[in-house]
Amino acid sequence: LAKTTQPISMDSYEGQEVNITCSHNNIATNDYITWYQQFPSQGPRFIIQGYKTKVTNEVASLFIPADRKSSTLSLPRVSLSDTAVYYCLAGERDYKLSFGAGTTVTVRA
Amino acid sequence: NAGVTQTPKFRVLKTGQSMTLLCAQDMNHEYMYWYRQDPGMGLRLIHYSVGEGTTAKGEVPDGYNVSRLKKQNFLLGLESAAPSQTSVYFCASSPGSGNQPQHFGDGTRLSIL
Repeated sequence: LAKTTQPISMDSYEGQEVNITCSHNNIATNDYITWYQQFPSQGPRFIIQGYKTKVTNEVASLFIPADRKSSTLSLPRVSLSDTAVYYCLAGERDYKLSFGAGTTVTVRA
Repeated sequence: NAGVTQTPKFRVLKTGQSMTLLCAQDMNHEYMYWYRQDPGMGLRLIHYSVGEGTTAKGEVPDGYNVSRLKKQNFLLGLESAAPSQTSVYFCASSPGSGNQPQHFGDGTRLSIL
C-alpha cells in the first residue's frame, strides 16, 4: 500500500483548469492510482483510475509519468459545483486502500 | 438504482449503549467495507469483507464488530459506545475483481454523548 501526499487545499475560479498533483514515491508495480471526489454530506464518488500514461473520461484527466511516483488529476473548466474534497489513492487491491485527508478544492465565481 | 444504502442516517447514543448500523447493496458486489470519517482525517477503514461469511480487520477495528451473513448486507456493531466513536460512518462495496472502484453510501452520522 503506497502512501500518498497531496496538497491540503487549492483555490480556483470558474472556467479555470485545476491540476492536483499527488505524490506516491513507494508505489508498487501492481498498484493502480485512483481518484475519488467527495461533496459535503455525501460518500466519496469514483472519478478516474489509471496505471500509466494518460487516462481521460468525461469528468477529468489523469496524467501519470513513466516513473509513476506521482500523478496529476486535471479538472477542465471547473464550475462552482466542482467544489469538493479530492482523494488520491494508490494500491493493488481496493480493500487495502487508505484515504488520507484529501485536497479541498474551492471554486469561486 | 439504489446502490449502497445505509440505515440509519442519523443517531444519537449515550455512552455504553449498543447499536448496529446496516449497509445494503444491490449490485451483487463481493467486497464490502466500513469506514469512519473524522474532521481533517479522511476516511479510515474499520473492517471489510471479501465475501459472504468472511470479515477482516482494517486500520481502526477496536470497539467495533461486523457480520456479513448475507452477500448484500454488511452490519457494523458498537457493543458499548464511547464518545470517541462519534463520527460519520460510510459503507462501501466493490465487485472484488481486480482494481475496481468502490461505491459508497451517503453515511451515518453518529453522536455518542
